[in-house]
Amino acid sequence: AQTVTQSQPEMSVQEAETVTLSCTYDTSESNYYLFWYKQPPSRQMILVIRQEAYKQQNATENRFSVNFQKAAKSFSLKISDSQLGDTAMYFCAFMTWEEDKIIFGKGTRLHILP
Amino acid sequence: DAGVTQSPTHLIKTRGQHVTLRCSPISGHKSVSWYQQVLGQGPQFIFQYYEKEERGRGNFPDRFSARQFPNYSSELNVNALLLGDSALYLCASSFRDNEQFFGPGTRLTVL
Repeated sequence: AQTVTQSQPEMSVQEAETVTLSCTYDTSESNYYLFWYKQPPSRQMILVIRQEAYKQQNATENRFSVNFQKAAKSFSLKISDSQLGDTAMYFCAFMTWEEDKIIFGKGTRLHILP
Repeated sequence: DAGVTQSPTHLIKTRGQHVTLRCSPISGHKSVSWYQQVLGQGPQFIFQYYEKEERGRGNFPDRFSARQFPNYSSELNVNALLLGDSALYLCASSFRDNEQFFGPGTRLTVL
């Protein structure tokens, strides 16, 4: 069974700093996707970044980037120049190519402090 | 373009009652998935429907059922509600591949 583990329940950083959220996963599949989702207090789940497992290059979306280590089954999210609007729950998630169900971690609550 | 919509926004029920939650996918999306998010946890997969057929089911009891209509909207039904069914229920739609777009959710409280 696939599992996703986020070891940091809560983090706080000052505005404009860089923060890294950790995620590890377990699977025997070869083809899969990894995601980071953001869920602000409004509850809307928003896709932040996506990584295809077959791609060696780490995905980047503006201030958000990932460090994907396939052999270690690690998928961390780096947020650069953090902003107050980045305050939210962040979920690491996994999905195989064969199934459309997303498996989520328990989340990391991120506070950006002014 | 409108995103995924869900109704109602909030709902309060008592134990033993039945509830129906509704979801309208993004126009053109044929796949709808349902997730349950208990407070403080990540969402858990309940069902996925594609072209009105059930494509996947999570580890939930038979009290949970769903269906998808010809216009690709979907309903999630929960019978014999328990206190533990209190959660945020999220619907997500996708065209046919991996990117799922989530709705704002329905907050269900069971008293």
